[in-house]
Amino acid sequence: QKEVEQNSGPLSVPEGAIASLNCTYSDRVSQSFFWYRQYSGKSPELIMSIYSNGDKEDGRFTAQLNKASQYVSLLIRDSQPSDSATYLCAVNLGGYNKLIFGAGTRLAVHP
Amino acid sequence: DTGVSQDPRHKITKRGQNVTFRCDPISEHNRLYWYRQTLGQGPEFLTYFQNEAQLEKSRLLSDRFSAERPKGSFSTLEIQRTEQGDSAMYLCASSTRGKGQGLSYEQYFGPGTRLTVT
Repeated sequence: QKEVEQNSGPLSVPEGAIASLNCTYSDRVSQSFFWYRQYSGKSPELIMSIYSNGDKEDGRFTAQLNKASQYVSLLIRDSQPSDSATYLCAVNLGGYNKLIFGAGTRLAVHP
Repeated sequence: DTGVSQDPRHKITKRGQNVTFRCDPISEHNRLYWYRQTLGQGPEFLTYFQNEAQLEKSRLLSDRFSAERPKGSFSTLEIQRTEQGDSAMYLCASSTRGKGQGLSYEQYFGPGTRLTVT
């Protein structure tokens, strides 16, 4: 079992729809969770961090965390073609400072 | 507020040569991380500094890899006797000190150095 797992996609959604991206992790001790967006050929860009169970909203993005189920998700409302990218889930497994990344989910938003 | 910078952005080298990359973190960040990313994968942790102290080093980092952060500001990553398998994007990230027991502050990435070993 991988430490941080994501569906590789591609996840294809129409413009204006809600995109739902999921991530599971293996270590119950983990306490810090991050979502990064990465465009092709570019470096990861931090879009959300979440530390407590529940939802955290920032503009069109909502991160959801369920530590009991070891599950974190990212919802993107009113998806735009510019949201087309790979979304990386990152977790500080074991409570350490280093981040463990999933392989990413490729999102394609079509007009 | 300038972000994390890395130099060079691209490096092509022949197998067996040594290469060195530089990272300048966000100025108030005392933590600096190096990651490596290959196509289709997420970044893999290589090593991490708090100020000038190297606190963790991945088992992925062979003896050919060395990193320094001599004055707690910029860092260098050197790869000796490069191999084709070293071809990847080398990413540097920085963050402020941890938020508390078991918590991590957000890490911000630089643009990366793309290494191609021929």
